[in-house]
Amino acid sequence: SAVISQKPSRDICQRGTSLTIQCQVDSQVTMMFWYRQQPGQSLTLIATANQGSEATYESGFVIDKFPISRPNLTFSTLTVSNMSPEDSSIYLCSFGTPSTDTQYFGPGTRLTVL
Amino acid sequence: QKEVEQNSGPLSVPEGAIASLNCTYSDRGSQSFFWYRQYSGKSPELIMSIYSNGDKEDGRFTAQLNKASQYVSLLIRDSQPSDSATYLCAVNEGRGDKLIFGTGTRLQVFP
Repeated sequence: SAVISQKPSRDICQRGTSLTIQCQVDSQVTMMFWYRQQPGQSLTLIATANQGSEATYESGFVIDKFPISRPNLTFSTLTVSNMSPEDSSIYLCSFGTPSTDTQYFGPGTRLTVL
Repeated sequence: QKEVEQNSGPLSVPEGAIASLNCTYSDRGSQSFFWYRQYSGKSPELIMSIYSNGDKEDGRFTAQLNKASQYVSLLIRDSQPSDSATYLCAVNEGRGDKLIFGTGTRLQVFP
């Protein structure tokens, strides 16, 4: 299957700043997703990144806080804006295979906000 | 609210035993079911998918699905210490592409 990578792997940021996380897949994929995993918790879907259109956000997540770009079928970015310590989490991207609903995850970005 | 429920554990089993992990889901329209393994500090790794009622075996892993009871399970035979991880159950939402994850069951296999 395709290989998926994320950058950065981890970062420590000051409150009030923003961080952009990049997700790269080595082949074209239709569906890309962004998740958050808070310490000791399961995965929560933030949004579905749609190529050529705006992302579809889940309840509780808004574009102003988590703007997403999907410029092509291999790449997406998630920005965590105006960060607070509550945004400290692991952020994961995944891609889906529509025929089987299977998702494969990137290695994640561990974010700490001070 | 569509939910996927798992016992958080920890489930402790001796090396060589069978580990049984269980998951229930609320959305009767779900068609696709997955088990992911997540080691501490790592991202989830797909280990099994199942789409039809019954059993599906892959090496030491067997997934079992019962749509009438809205129940999916994972059996790990001949458990090894390297199987110690959190196992996440995931279910697709209706006929869509989104997955709903359970909170995970932490498995500990002791020598």
